[in-house]
Amino acid sequence: GAVVSQHPSRVICKSGTSVKIECRSLDFQATTMFWYRQFPKQSLMLMATSNEGSKATYEQGVEKDKFLINHASLTLSTLTVTSAHPEDSSFYICSARQGAEFFGPGTRLTVL
Amino acid sequence: EDQVTQSPEALRLQEGESSSLNCSYTVSGLRGLFWYRQDPGKGPEFLFTLYSAGEEKEKERLKATLTKKESFLHITAPKPEDSATYLCAVLSNFNKFYFGSGTKLNVKP
Repeated sequence: GAVVSQHPSRVICKSGTSVKIECRSLDFQATTMFWYRQFPKQSLMLMATSNEGSKATYEQGVEKDKFLINHASLTLSTLTVTSAHPEDSSFYICSARQGAEFFGPGTRLTVL
Repeated sequence: EDQVTQSPEALRLQEGESSSLNCSYTVSGLRGLFWYRQDPGKGPEFLFTLYSAGEEKEKERLKATLTKKESFLHITAPKPEDSATYLCAVLSNFNKFYFGSGTKLNVKP
């Protein structure tokens, strides 16, 4: 199957700082990538759809100014959590589709 | 309303004890049903895609089946390394994925 990578796998930051998470499709080009958030013992919650060369599409209730998405190339999408707060602590997962949806390994964000 | 429901929420099996996980769905036009395995602290790992009722897919001890209303993931003679959360997702005609909440499988030696 297709390979999607994420970096970093873990990040700890202070409240008020911004954190950038990268998502790369390693063996295929993805005009669209997806960003999910997962709380403990819960399923994936789609946050936004990242579109190469255009603005991201956000799901209802997701703050655009807080979760900045940039899809700079056909293999890279970035999610920046701006002015992070402890309630932003979560597991963030990206994905790209090639037939099925293939997920990155996830990024554990802890905001102190 | 499009939705995916998985049952049971959690399942404990003895090694070698076969069982099935259920994924029930209602969706406006099914383009595909997907099974994933997720280990703690990791992203979901793709297992199977099923496209039409009657279709079956197998991989080692896992076998996925599909009807018009549900899918089953059958686990034959499971081993402790099969312990994980198994997620089901459906892709609708509107190109949207809907995920179930998962079944956490624990296989005891």
